[in-house]
Amino acid sequence: KQEVTQIPAALSVPEGENLVLNCSFTDSAIYNLQWFRQDPGKGLTSLLLIQSSQREQTSGRLNASLDKSSGRSTLYIAASQPGDSATYLCAVRPLGNKLVFGAGTILRVKS
Amino acid sequence: NAGVTQTPKFRVLKTGQSMTLLCAQDMNHEYMYWYRQDPGMGLRLIHYSVGEGTTAKGEVPDGYNVSRLKKQNFLLGLESAAPSQTSVYFCASSYSRKDHSSGANVLTFGAGSRLTVL
Repeated sequence: KQEVTQIPAALSVPEGENLVLNCSFTDSAIYNLQWFRQDPGKGLTSLLLIQSSQREQTSGRLNASLDKSSGRSTLYIAASQPGDSATYLCAVRPLGNKLVFGAGTILRVKS
Repeated sequence: NAGVTQTPKFRVLKTGQSMTLLCAQDMNHEYMYWYRQDPGMGLRLIHYSVGEGTTAKGEVPDGYNVSRLKKQNFLLGLESAAPSQTSVYFCASSYSRKDHSSGANVLTFGAGSRLTVL
């Protein structure tokens, strides 16, 4: 059974810091991996999707990497801003259709 | 372009009552999903559908039923609500996994429906 773990569960950093969020998964047979952002009381917004054949994806200050063989992904946020404060969720799509989510990392960027 | 719309946004039920959550998407997505999100846990898949007229069980299907009579709508029903079903429910949709074009497989989520069962 695929399991997804996100570390740390919560993170507080001062504005301007570069930071890394970690996601690990137990079964490397995945179709893709997706990072989401969730603001309090809101739905999830897709940030980046990495297909299994890719190593990384970038969007603005965000960079996500994927190492399928070791079952790891990282989300790198450069020059963090208070507006980045949110919960970040990682989800993997196994070779079936059922996306499996991690519990998320709650990020707080202090001004 | 509305994306994924969930109704209602909030609902309070008494134990044993029934209700239906509606999810509607206007992106012509084949796949639709219902998740529940509980504190400290990741989203857990309740049921999903890979096309009009089809449904399948997810990780936590017990106590729920679904229907996909039209491609754009995916309904989640609670037959006899229990306090354990107090949660935030999210609907999501995506293109078929077979579509490898840019943006394919990206899930689009609704804003959520907060359900409290007393």
